[in-house]
Amino acid sequence: NAGVTQTPKFQVLKTGQSMTLQCAQDMNHEYMSWYRQDPGMGLRLIHYSVGAGITDQGEVPNGYNVSRSTTEDFPLRLLSAAPSQTSVYFCASSRTASNQPQHFGDGTRLSIL
Amino acid sequence: GQQVMQIPQYQHVQEGEDFTTYCNSSTTLSNIQWYKQRPGGHPVFLIQLVKSGEVKKQKRLTFQFGEAKKNSSLHITATQTTDVGTYFCAGQGGSEKLVFGKGMKLTVNP
Repeated sequence: NAGVTQTPKFQVLKTGQSMTLQCAQDMNHEYMSWYRQDPGMGLRLIHYSVGAGITDQGEVPNGYNVSRSTTEDFPLRLLSAAPSQTSVYFCASSRTASNQPQHFGDGTRLSIL
Repeated sequence: GQQVMQIPQYQHVQEGEDFTTYCNSSTTLSNIQWYKQRPGGHPVFLIQLVKSGEVKKQKRLTFQFGEAKKNSSLHITATQTTDVGTYFCAGQGGSEKLVFGKGMKLTVNP
């Protein structure tokens, strides 16, 4: 059972480039979310989804897009990468939206030059 | 919007000592969760508290949810080097958003 799989694990981009961080879960979870983790800032919610076809903004959504065309996949798109988006990105999923433990992927370490 | 604050942000203890870390929310929560993240790893779920005044124990860890459901605490007894890591609390209020605190980084002197 793979759980939550994030790819790539590491990525270096140049300012202005776009890219997609992949997240897939094989637990049939309804709820999926993206967080970024920066030193001293904890985990900040970027976007989340309560089910296929439904997405909503978190605390820091600017510069990021998401879509949820299937239950399994929840990709995060950086439209035009900026150095301020250098961070570690975590995808998480849970069975439903409320009162459920989050299962995290291993993270993607992203550097923007 | 909803904010979750953790204190202290850093804690250094001698092996064998007890300590407590606290989590405070700006709004009433429907539940609070605690996670542990080891260096270089991802957050791992520890426990969830739902009821007002709830207390749960996991071996040397004791978790408590405040009566007003706006604060929580984690107490570790007889700290061990295996307890090293960053502990996060996360709360859900009236929406589906799970908001994390900034974390409490624990280091242990053997």
